[in-house]
This record gives sequence, structure tokens and C-alpha cells, in this order.
Amino acid sequence: QKEVEQDPGPLSVPEGAIVSLNCTYSNSAFQYFMWYRQYSRKGPELLMYTYSSGNKEDGRFTAQVDKSSKYISLFIRDSQPSDSATYLCAMSGSGGSYIPTFGRGTSLIVHP
Amino acid sequence: DADVTQTPRNRITKTGKRIMLECSQTKGHDRMYWYRQDPGLGLRLIYYSFDVKDINKGEISDGYSVSRQAQAKFSLSLESAIPNQTALYFCATSALDSPGDEQFFGPGTRLTVL
Repeated sequence: QKEVEQDPGPLSVPEGAIVSLNCTYSNSAFQYFMWYRQYSRKGPELLMYTYSSGNKEDGRFTAQVDKSSKYISLFIRDSQPSDSATYLCAMSGSGGSYIPTFGRGTSLIVHP
Repeated sequence: DADVTQTPRNRITKTGKRIMLECSQTKGHDRMYWYRQDPGLGLRLIYYSFDVKDINKGEISDGYSVSRQAQAKFSLSLESAIPNQTALYFCATSALDSPGDEQFFGPGTRLTVL
């Protein structure tokens, strides 16, 4: 079993839908929980990160972390065709030498 | 100009050939990484370097080698390419004190080994 599990999709939704993307993990040492977005033929870019448990909101995006369940989510409200991309979760421990562990990524398609 | 650049962007080669992928960055970051991305497998770490004198193997280093020529340059070599090394390769950088070790990725190199 991989340390970070993520359903690869694809997930297809109509424009305006609320999207929920999720990852589970097994390593209790993870403290930073991140979401990267990757457009086709581009490198991933950091979208949001959360430290420890709780929620974080940035515009239409909300990241949630439930450390007791080892489960993280990214919600996208009022989804737009421009949100179509692959979303990768990533997690790391605290301290200077922790390299993020990435999920496989979920492909999201928002159709007009 | 892009902060992390990779050359070439696309490469087709034959089995047994030696290939070098190059990465340069203008972000001033000490840490550099090489990943490969395969459909269904996600990003896998090949090698990483925390400074010019530091080289470490990642999850899948067999068949690859690296060279850190300067703080800004990190190259990946395939000594004798094989078809299962066909993949999308990404170089990334991160800052020493970055929360969660935020990775800044280059645009990728699409490598096909025939």
C-alpha cells in the first residue's frame, strides 16, 4: 500500500458544480498537506497548503484535513472549465529534510 | 523568463543510447529534484540534491545518474536508455526554509525510448 492514495479518476462534472477531491494517507508524521494543480503539458504548481488539521479557504477553493481519519479533501465551488486539470495531493513532515510524497493525481474535467 | 527551465522539451531516442536531460533555475534555491511521471503512477522521485555537494537517491534511481554542476544546474543521465524509461520527466526546486518543502517544477521533458 502506498503512503498516499488518490483516485486517478477521471472526474467529469458540469460547469458550476461543487467538486470534491480526496486523498488518504498512512504516515502519522505528515504535518503539511498540499494540493498541486497540473494543466496539460505543464509542470505541477502549488495551489494550497494546510499545516496540521483544519480548513483553509482561498476563493473558490477549500482544503480540509482530518488527521484523525488520515483524510484530506479539496473542494472547488462553482467549478469552471478553466479548472480542468490534474490535481495532486502531497504531504510532508516538519523539519528541513522532508520531501513531499505525492498522490497519483485526479484528472478533473469541467464541461460547459 | 521561466524560473525553472528544462532542455530538451521532447526527445525520441533508441534503446541503448545515452541521454542527458538538463535543468537550470534562476530561483536561487539550494534544493533540486528529478521526478518522472507515468500515467496511473503519479510522480516518482529519481534523485535529489540539497546542495552542490549533496546527491541522494530517490525511490527509483536504478538506470539513472545525476550531476549537480552548480547551484543552478542539475542534470539527469540515462546511461543506456530502455523503453520502460519512456515517461515525462520533471525537474523541481525548493527553498531551504519552505513550509512543506514547496516544489517549483519545470515544464517537463517528454522522453520516448524506442
